Amino acid sequence: GQNIDQPTEMTATEGAIVQINCTYQTSGFNGLFWYQQHAGEAPTFLSYNVLDGLEEKGRFSSFLSRSKGYSYLLLKELQMKDSASYLCAVVDSNYQLIWGAGTKLIIKP
Amino acid sequence: GAVVSQHPSWVICKSGTSVKIECRSLDFQATTMFWYRQFPKQSLMLMATSNEGSKATYEQGVEKDKFLINHASLTLSTLTVTSAHPEDSSFYICSAADLQGVEQYFGPGTRLTVT
Repeated sequence: GQNIDQPTEMTATEGAIVQINCTYQTSGFNGLFWYQQHAGEAPTFLSYNVLDGLEEKGRFSSFLSRSKGYSYLLLKELQMKDSASYLCAVVDSNYQLIWGAGTKLIIKP
Repeated sequence: GAVVSQHPSWVICKSGTSVKIECRSLDFQATTMFWYRQFPKQSLMLMATSNEGSKATYEQGVEKDKFLINHASLTLSTLTVTSAHPEDSSFYICSAADLQGVEQYFGPGTRLTVT
């Protein structure tokens, strides 16, 4: 079966750095997305990785290792508004998005 | 660019009635639209995938006669929840993929409460 694992919840301090991991086992791979979702709102796009390596976009970076079935989202200089759920999603061989359950990130002052 | 709207943003209806939710791609043509449901503190659950001009493909366990999907144009898809029951209360989110088809652009969601 297809499976995506990410921690259920993480806590970090304002101004710090946090890394949210995602491991996947899917039938085929055509890229991996990270989305941010605030409570009661729809997901918003953060990043898309299809090749191995690190992609940096401001305070957020996303890393992918296809051979390990692994990705992480790195958030730097955390702000209170970064408190949200972070969803990892993999595009499988049928171009279907397979969603992880999401990681709830709690930022403390 | 790549804006998707949903209407209504929230709706309250009585048990047994039907509710229609619209999803529109405002500045691009969406060959494929997706309908998701999300219960509190849970991840997105894909309900169905629809391609313009053809029947929707429903995920296992989703009743096609209860959740009617119409994708009549490249910019509009509708989800009708027929004979709604309290257990259908949920956050319904649509997304649209452009011709490239990889990234999905999400609408703001519709919160349905069935009393």
